[in-house]
Amino acid sequence: EDQVTQSPEALRLQEGESSSLNCSYTVSGLRGLFWYRQDPGKGPEFLFTLYSAGEEKEKERLKATLTKKESFLHITAPKPEDSATYLCAVQTHSGNTPLVFGKGTRLSVIA
Amino acid sequence: ETGVTQSPTHLIKTRGQQVTLRCSSQSGHNTVSWYQQALGQGPQFIFQYYREEENGRGNFPPRFSGLQFPNYSSELNVNALELDDSALYLCASRATTGGVEAFFGQGTRLTVV
Repeated sequence: EDQVTQSPEALRLQEGESSSLNCSYTVSGLRGLFWYRQDPGKGPEFLFTLYSAGEEKEKERLKATLTKKESFLHITAPKPEDSATYLCAVQTHSGNTPLVFGKGTRLSVIA
Repeated sequence: ETGVTQSPTHLIKTRGQQVTLRCSSQSGHNTVSWYQQALGQGPQFIFQYYREEENGRGNFPPRFSGLQFPNYSSELNVNALELDDSALYLCASRATTGGVEAFFGQGTRLTVV
């Protein structure tokens, strides 16, 4: 069974304090790994897609990396507006399989 | 803004009632998926539609059903509502079944009392 585990469940940072969120996955064949940001009561907002080990993508203060077993979302010098839940999801095999999500990491950035 | 719109944004229903949620997919997207997200959990896959046919279903009972229309908009219907059906219901669209990125709407918050 495909599984996605995110850690930590919650993370509290001071503004400017860099850190990383972890997403470990167990899948039979990875087609893509996705990171989403979700604000309370809203739908997930797409951030990144990673396809193969060694791939990296960046957007503003966020950088996502991928290995064969896990992905990291690095947050550099975070600001209070980065506070949200960050969701990791995987898609396996062919493109018509659904996304399998982790439970997310709740990030709070304190000014 | 993703271009995926859901309605209504919130609603309250009584146990045993039926509810219909609606989703308009992003322009050019012909695959729509529905997810249920309970508080503090990640989204769970309900089912997916491609060109008006269901082509994937998660571990949800038959009282969860859906439709996709020729314009690729979609409905999620839930019969005989239970208290545990209270959740955020999310609609996501993709360009094709081979498309990778899924873009989500803002969700419908359903409360069953």
